[in-house]
Amino acid sequence: DAKTTQPPSMDCAEGRAANLPCNHSTISGNEYVYWYRQIHSQGPQYIIHGLKNNETNEMASLIITEDRKSSTLILPHATLRDTAVYYCIDLMNRDDKIIFGKGTRLHILP
Amino acid sequence: GAGVSQTPSNKVTEKGKYVELRCDPISGHTALYWYRQSLGQGPEFLIYFQGTGAADDSGLPNDRFFAVRPEGSVSTLKIQRTERGDSAVYLCASSLGPGNTEAFFGQGTRLTVV
Repeated sequence: DAKTTQPPSMDCAEGRAANLPCNHSTISGNEYVYWYRQIHSQGPQYIIHGLKNNETNEMASLIITEDRKSSTLILPHATLRDTAVYYCIDLMNRDDKIIFGKGTRLHILP
Repeated sequence: GAGVSQTPSNKVTEKGKYVELRCDPISGHTALYWYRQSLGQGPEFLIYFQGTGAADDSGLPNDRFFAVRPEGSVSTLKIQRTERGDSAVYLCASSLGPGNTEAFFGQGTRLTVV
């Protein structure tokens, strides 16, 4: 079973920042926080991952709290193409499989 | 190819029939994963290959499901005596292997058992 908890759905206005929260209540010291998203009728797509420090790439930013019990994925300027289900996952780099939860369904409103 | 390729994209079969689903991973990726996804649910892990061997098949639901990867590249998921409950999207993913868990997913095969 997935070890993370996320809200089932969220809305965000187009052009605004989308902030998706995730709780990692059982994360261990050597587990990374990974985020994937799944656009309708497509396979999941990797977004970003981090261990302790905040991370940023061309798609998103990842904020991890100091105790690592929660994280936030930030899409800085959401567009309609960001409508998807977003999954956060705790994962050790030597793990052999990703266990998905139900994720957060993000609706971008025009 | 540029990404993970799955064929067929859609498969309709009758209850009790045998089906094979194919996955072509990204060239050079040693790790390959199969997942199953039902409507409204996240992908459910089935099996993981590292090279030719199944490193973890703990997600296969029963002995009707079997997967192979004989040459460490293409993989085939085989389902015997299909049941209506097997209807789902079957997703394949590949990655560079242990220590690199950025997985690349295919578009999936939608299996419908009637």
